[in-house]
Amino acid sequence: DAGVIQSPRHEVTEMGQEVTLRCKPISGHDYLFWYRQTMMRGLELLIYFNNNVPIDDSGMPEDRFSAKMPNASFSTLKIQPSEPRDSAVYFCASSLSGENEQFFGPGTRLTVL
Amino acid sequence: DAKTTQPPSMDCAEGRAANLPCNHSTISGNEYVYWYRQIHSQGPQYIIHGLKNNETNEMASLIITEDRKSSTLILPHATLRDTAVYYCIVRVGRTNFGNEKLTFGTGTRLTIIP
Repeated sequence: DAGVIQSPRHEVTEMGQEVTLRCKPISGHDYLFWYRQTMMRGLELLIYFNNNVPIDDSGMPEDRFSAKMPNASFSTLKIQPSEPRDSAVYFCASSLSGENEQFFGPGTRLTVL
Repeated sequence: DAKTTQPPSMDCAEGRAANLPCNHSTISGNEYVYWYRQIHSQGPQYIIHGLKNNETNEMASLIITEDRKSSTLILPHATLRDTAVYYCIVRVGRTNFGNEKLTFGTGTRLTIIP
């Protein structure tokens, strides 16, 4: 298996633009997680899904952020409009129900100018 | 989830055992100790987890004190590729509805010295 796939790997955009980050979980995994990592706040959970249904979105910073999982093999994290403070590395992870390990993707480095 | 305390940084000579401590004095009886690491510019990687017995896998060993208030991750023969930030996390074990979250602290930055 190729592992968790994220795209793009790097994104540079201007303030006010819409940004869409994409994630393909490991096939067969039923949990998907979105994390954000910054120097100031460390690694924090934004939202996670089970069987494509959002379970906990309490970490989503504000209404500008939204996440969807239209099917078991694809999820998006959208920021609209983007702001410089959204600059961070965004990680997607997946896991299999009943197992302990979360598998992380390589991350998307977002820079908002 | 219980809070963990780790030293911010440690050094270890290449080839020696790296011993990373973690305090979790408020751990509950049903909470496991998990260790992840994050090599620079990569996503975190699972290492090992345990409840109360010592555990060993191909990557590391986990020693949990009898009172479960602290633990030590041991990398038996550290290599340069083990340079990373190591996170100790406590969480209710095995993914059941509502227990899946991982809360990462600041971790320990381990540097392996040639």
